[in-house]
Amino acid sequence: GAGVSQSPSNKVTEKGKDVELRCDPISGHTALYWYRQSLGQGLEFLIYFQGNSAPDKSGLPSDRFSAERTGGSVSTLTIQRTQQEDSAVYLCASSLRLAGRGETQYFGPGTRLLVL
Amino acid sequence: GDSVTQMEGPVTLSEEAFLTINCTYTATGYPSLFWYVQYPGEGLQLLLKATKADDKGSNKGFEATYRKETTSFHLEKGSVQVSDSAVYFCALRGPSGGGADGLTFGKGTHLIIQP
Repeated sequence: GAGVSQSPSNKVTEKGKDVELRCDPISGHTALYWYRQSLGQGLEFLIYFQGNSAPDKSGLPSDRFSAERTGGSVSTLTIQRTQQEDSAVYLCASSLRLAGRGETQYFGPGTRLLVL
Repeated sequence: GDSVTQMEGPVTLSEEAFLTINCTYTATGYPSLFWYVQYPGEGLQLLLKATKADDKGSNKGFEATYRKETTSFHLEKGSVQVSDSAVYFCALRGPSGGGADGLTFGKGTHLIIQP
C-alpha cells in the first residue's frame, strides 16, 4: 500500500511569510508524528497526534509553530512569520497505534523548507 | 532527558569489510532501541529494532544487540556492500506517556563504502 506522503516536497519562502506543510499518513494509522531535521540540530521530535489530539505541544520550537490533524488522517504543520532558522527538512511519520514501545514509525520523504 | 550518542563519521570502508557503528544511550526506564537508515535521496527507513535487554535485532545482514549493562546498541555487519552507503541513525523511544512518544535520535553516521 501507499506510504506516508508529504507535500510540498520543497518550499522556498521569504522571511516573515507563513507556510503550511501537509502530511498524509498510512491509511489506518492512528498515531502521527512530526520531526525536524536540520544540520545543526540533527533530528528533533516536534509533536505527535493520537487520533486528532496532540496531548503535548512542548516539543514545538516556538509559538510560531502549530499543528493540527483532522478526521484522524491528514495533518498540517503551520509555521507563521518564518525565520531563517526554520530552514530544515520537516519529516512526518505514522504508526499503527501509539501504545507499545516497539511500535514502528514509518517516515515520509519530508518537506525541504528554505527561508530566504 | 533522553539522549543518543553515535559516531558521526563519515566512516569510509572498502567493500566486504566488517562494520561497527557505535551507539550508546541515556534514558530513564527501559527504552526501545532502533536503527534507521537513510539512503541517498530517500526517506528514513527502519533497519532493525529491539525492545528489551539482550534482544538482538537483525535485518539485511545487519545486527544490533540491546545491552542494558553498557547502555549500548552497536550496529554490525560482517561484510558491507557499496549499496550499504547511507546515513545510519540510532534512536530510542521511552516508555509511553507525555512527550516521550516521539523518537530521540542520534546525530547520524554517514557510511561510505568504496568498491
